[in-house]
Amino acid sequence: DGGITQSPKYLFRKEGQNVTLSCEQNLNHDAMYWYRQDPGQGLRLIYYSQIVNDFQKGDIAEGYSVSREKKESFPLTVTSAQKNPTAFYLCASSIKWQLGGRKETQYFGPGTRLLVL
Amino acid sequence: GNSVTQMEGPVTLSEEAFLTINCTYTATGYPSLFWYVQYPGEGLQLLLKATKADDKGSNKGFEATYRKETTSFHLEKGSVQVSDSAVYFCALSDSWRDDKIIFGKGTRLHILP
Repeated sequence: DGGITQSPKYLFRKEGQNVTLSCEQNLNHDAMYWYRQDPGQGLRLIYYSQIVNDFQKGDIAEGYSVSREKKESFPLTVTSAQKNPTAFYLCASSIKWQLGGRKETQYFGPGTRLLVL
Repeated sequence: GNSVTQMEGPVTLSEEAFLTINCTYTATGYPSLFWYVQYPGEGLQLLLKATKADDKGSNKGFEATYRKETTSFHLEKGSVQVSDSAVYFCALSDSWRDDKIIFGKGTRLHILP
């Protein structure tokens, strides 16, 4: 079955520690995204990547880093510079272009909940 | 800039009631419009979408019509069930070059048996 997987489901971070959230897709999608979701709020875009070896900052990139070495993988690192990392993190992917240049739907993984010890 | 505004929740209804969740948007171009649903502890799932004016998206008894004249994309269902309890997000994508999607803040729906 094609889809997006995120691991782990729950992740605990200690003070001053960097942690990495995994996101893998086997949909052959070019574009991948990371969002942060806080209680009672919508989704906020952290980083996105339209193609391998390229990525752009979203609205709240500070304290996060990403890499896109392979088409199917887009890991997110939450660094110690992110002072309020507790949140639900969602990864998504989409085909970059649809015929005529219209937007394609984003497909989401099940999410990783990050908690600070 | 582009934005999405949806009604604040939570919305609480009895089973078999009629549902409307309002969504309006602001966009500079010709956006595609989406409704996503998030069940507790899970990621978002696409519920329905419409890519041009007057299109109607539908799925699982839910419907939404793309109204360019009122810049709206309201979600409706004729008879809700307890299993419809979730958070619903309205979203749009606009630019032909930019892959970003803009989401509303979400509306939590509670259906009482």
